[in-house]
Amino acid sequence: SAVISQKPSRDICQRGTSLTIQCQVDSQVTMMFWYRQQPGQSLTLIATANQGSEATYESGFVIDKFPISRPNLTFSTLTVSNMSPEDSSIYLCSVELEKLFFGSGTQLSVL
Amino acid sequence: SQQGEEDPQALSIQEGENATMNCSYKTSINNLQWYRQNSGRGLVHLILIRSNEREKHSGRLRVTLDTSKKSSSLLITASRAADTASYFCATDAESGGSTLGRLYFGRGTQLTVWP
Repeated sequence: SAVISQKPSRDICQRGTSLTIQCQVDSQVTMMFWYRQQPGQSLTLIATANQGSEATYESGFVIDKFPISRPNLTFSTLTVSNMSPEDSSIYLCSVELEKLFFGSGTQLSVL
Repeated sequence: SQQGEEDPQALSIQEGENATMNCSYKTSINNLQWYRQNSGRGLVHLILIRSNEREKHSGRLRVTLDTSKKSSSLLITASRAADTASYFCATDAESGGSTLGRLYFGRGTQLTVWP
């Protein structure tokens, strides 16, 4: 199993600002995943973060809007840039150890 | 899209009753998983069933998989108020026999269990 610490747990931000979400895992993992869950919706994969290489983004998500860092095998950050109210969502990091383990999520509200 | 779709969208039952949720998906898979989410927080993995399995049990949970119908069901027996949560099915993407390491989630079933 894996224990994932994600922070902040929630934030309220102003339009046009950026927020960086951190994810710390208690074991070394090759891939980390960032998901978004818009209100009342399912989870959508934003990108896959591999250590030592650039993140791979899913269709509809771009690096300029959601830059990701993966400096080592236990840590990753996702930045939501130039935020608008449409970015209000829960953002979750996860790791795969046969099954996905999720962080507790970051509930973001953009005013 | 390979996204799973759960039904019903919402289910409300009394404690002690059984809850059944269904999931349908569109393409071939290696495995299907069920997750639970409390109050919009992180997801907790419940159970994984592989494409060559038809039924799996874990405590009060029973999962079935019918690959010919591309559907799965999650049964929670003798439900409790603490089972109140959203339940999601998720499928991987079968590609050349190896998963892509990413999951496709349905919209979920909101289960409410009344004491």
